[in-house]
Amino acid sequence: KAGVTQTPRYLIKTRGQQVTLSCSPISGHRSVSWYQQTPGQGLQFLFEYFSETQRNKGNFPGRFSGRQFSNSRSEMNVSTLELGDSALYLCASSAGQAQNIQYFGAGTRLSVL
Amino acid sequence: AQTVTQSQPEMSVQEAETVTLSCTYDTSENNYYLFWYKQPPSRQMILVIRQEAYKQQNATENRFSVNFQKAAKSFSLKISDSQLGDTAMYFCAFIYNQGGKLIFGQGTELSVKP
Repeated sequence: KAGVTQTPRYLIKTRGQQVTLSCSPISGHRSVSWYQQTPGQGLQFLFEYFSETQRNKGNFPGRFSGRQFSNSRSEMNVSTLELGDSALYLCASSAGQAQNIQYFGAGTRLSVL
Repeated sequence: AQTVTQSQPEMSVQEAETVTLSCTYDTSENNYYLFWYKQPPSRQMILVIRQEAYKQQNATENRFSVNFQKAAKSFSLKISDSQLGDTAMYFCAFIYNQGGKLIFGQGTELSVKP
């Protein structure tokens, strides 16, 4: 079974631009969660999509948004990029229940200049 | 609010020895799940072990085992016979309710020395 695939692996953007990150979950998984990892704040939950609906949301500004398609693939968008958005963005997929293991992708490293 | 605390930012251990990583959490929930994830330098997050809160028996996976103390809200990870490949950042995490939102601790950076 293929694992969780995140594209692209690396991105360099400038302040004010917008960016879209993609995540393809493990086949059969209906839940995709997104996390931001920074040295200062650690791992923080952004949002979770389950069957095309946002089910959980973290404490991030509205510049961070996402969506999920009918094939469970998910995209995350960040508009009006700020320097502080530089981070490793991880997505994880699972079957969708609390007891289910979340399997992580390799991440997208975003650098905002 | 649910929180997870890892009080040891860094630890080191000699190869073949045993090391214990600490984790405490705070929640008013009764039904939840706890995880230890490992993140090596490649940054790929890998599940190490999972514990269901309703189970009293401590989870074990090969050289990895946990000491789960529900009343104390403590969830430590013991690594036996440490190997060089165990060098990584280790995160304790907690989840409840429907799922999807893992709450992570700040991590413990473990170095295994030859």
